[in-house]
Amino acid sequence: ETGVTQSPTHLIKTRGQQVTLRCSSQSGHNTVSWYQQALGQGPQFIFQYYREEENGRGNFPPRFSGLQFPNYSSELNVNALELDDSALYLCASSPERESYGYTFGSGTRLTVV
Amino acid sequence: KNQVEQSPQSLIILEGKNCTLQCNYTVSPFSNLRWYKQDTGRGPVSLTIMTFSENTKSNGRYTATLDADTKQSSLHITASQLSDSASYICVPSNFGNEKLTFGTGTRLTIIP
Repeated sequence: ETGVTQSPTHLIKTRGQQVTLRCSSQSGHNTVSWYQQALGQGPQFIFQYYREEENGRGNFPPRFSGLQFPNYSSELNVNALELDDSALYLCASSPERESYGYTFGSGTRLTVV
Repeated sequence: KNQVEQSPQSLIILEGKNCTLQCNYTVSPFSNLRWYKQDTGRGPVSLTIMTFSENTKSNGRYTATLDADTKQSSLHITASQLSDSASYICVPSNFGNEKLTFGTGTRLTIIP
């Protein structure tokens, strides 16, 4: 059974650019959730995708968007990057929409300069 | 507003010693609480998950307790090892919630 895989592990972007982060969910999981974790803070919920549809969104602006594919992998896209977007981006997959069975990936460290 | 308060914010102990981390929460409705361990720059790893009807749950050297009446939980680490150095985050939740609300956790450092 494979776990949650995120790519890339590290990324450096310039302010104003766009970025795409990727997540492969654990086998058998149809739900993917994305979190942003700033340095020294706990993870903050961005949004969740269930069966290719958005199922809940946190307090993030529209320039944060996502996709889920038929194989339940997912992408997080961030447009018009700002310095404050620098953070660890975590993906978690679960068997169903509820958060009970969450498994987290190792994250993508995004640095915006 | 749902809140989670953990104490202490940081803790340094000698290798081999025991320690207890505390968590007070005001999440309502409440149905389960989990403790996560997070190494720096890595994703959280679940240590224990307890439902509201459970008082204690162990996972190796980690033992979590829960008092749903007083809304308090603790995580006890026995015979600490250098690899226990990490942040420990208490996350109360309710079944049916699509998201988890994390606190900032306790930063534990084990020194030889």
